[in-house]
Amino acid sequence: QQQVKQSPQSLIVQKGGIPIINCAYENTAFDYFPWYQQFPGKGPALLIAIRPDVSEKKEGRFTISFNKSAKQFSLHIMDSQPGDSATYFCAASMISGTYKYIFGTGTRLKVLA
Amino acid sequence: DSGVTQTPKHLITATGQRVTLRCSPRSGDLSVYWYQQSLDQGLQFLIQYYNGEERAKGNILERFSAQQFPDLHSELNLSSLELGDSALYFCASSALAGGNEQYFGPGTRLTVT
Repeated sequence: QQQVKQSPQSLIVQKGGIPIINCAYENTAFDYFPWYQQFPGKGPALLIAIRPDVSEKKEGRFTISFNKSAKQFSLHIMDSQPGDSATYFCAASMISGTYKYIFGTGTRLKVLA
Repeated sequence: DSGVTQTPKHLITATGQRVTLRCSPRSGDLSVYWYQQSLDQGLQFLIQYYNGEERAKGNILERFSAQQFPDLHSELNLSSLELGDSALYFCASSALAGGNEQYFGPGTRLTVT
């Protein structure tokens, strides 16, 4: 119930492509879903986050799509660039409650030049 | 730069030893979270402090303890170290008790030999 399942484990796309990373959760009490980007040797950096009252949120080239009934959410990276090559983590949390993040297992993205 | 600082950056120690990791949250943030990142376990929540008080506990071993001081910096103490404790340890901070936006530090890489 506390798990967040993330797929794929790794992804290779050409420059300009649109990689899509998917996450699924079971606990309907989750109401905050952030995405983090992590470069080797660095801490995770908050990219974008969504709450279940909206189905889509865009920030720059990053878009989150949220399907509350399916308990799934995904990250789309538009016009991907080699500099986007990193590991991406989804997470789920509760705005009220213990506030801890439950992280997905991560997706290693490589964007080819 | 997230504004969260962690020291030391790297730590190499032997089994059975004790170490202390230090974290300073972003200016104004009252909540501090500790996470462990290992290759096989991903990012795992350990413990949260809010304004000096323990707020939530995750899968933190009894050999591990933490505290948050009046100036809001936090320390994670790891004792009786085992080889399996080798990992990256991240601290994150957020403004409120509700950790909607958590900002991660650069991490401490612990190697137990």
